[in-house]
Amino acid sequence: EAGVVQSPRYKIIEKKQPVAFWCNPISGHNTLYWYRQNLGQGPELLIRYENEEAVDDSQLPKDRFSAERLKGVDSTLKIQPAELGDSAVYLCASKGDSGTSGTYEQFFGPGTRLTVL
Amino acid sequence: QKEVEQNSGPLSVPEGAIASLNCTYSDRGSQSFFWYRQYSGKSPELIMSIYSNGDKEDGRFTAQLNKASQYVSLLIRDSQPSDSATYLCAVSGAAGNKLTFGGGTRVLVKP
Repeated sequence: EAGVVQSPRYKIIEKKQPVAFWCNPISGHNTLYWYRQNLGQGPELLIRYENEEAVDDSQLPKDRFSAERLKGVDSTLKIQPAELGDSAVYLCASKGDSGTSGTYEQFFGPGTRLTVL
Repeated sequence: QKEVEQNSGPLSVPEGAIASLNCTYSDRGSQSFFWYRQYSGKSPELIMSIYSNGDKEDGRFTAQLNKASQYVSLLIRDSQPSDSATYLCAVSGAAGNKLTFGGGTRVLVKP
């Protein structure tokens, strides 16, 4: 079974430029997350999707960040314009339906390391 | 006060010894608890999940949960150099919908 796929793996841009990240979750996983991880810290949630609906975007800086998951499968996270402080690793994770297992495990993709110059 | 607290380390242990990692959390309503391992430059990898009080063992790893005291721990037995990584504790409420991570504990296993 393929894991969470993200692209690009690395991105270097100048401040004020736009940037976009793409994520394809594990097949069958309805819940998709975008996290941001700064150096030496744990990941912090930006947005959570249940199918195509954004059900928790309280931590998303909406003035410059946007996300979409139009068909309830893959997702795109965009920053426009990027600022120096946006340099971080952007992680996508997905979670399946717990069903009868009662498990709620999230699995992460490899991440996109963004450097804003 | 952070919601999920971990000692940042580094926790240095000799090869073959037991590494003991602790994590405390502030939300008494937390119901799901996870340990992730993160190698430098890599993404977090799930190694343990625990949902009820007590111990849960998986290979060389044992997770321990005490909801009354609001702590969860991870034991790594027979530590190997390949266990050298940062270990992230994550906590969530019902259905695991929102994970809150600690800052991680860096573990160094010395041959």
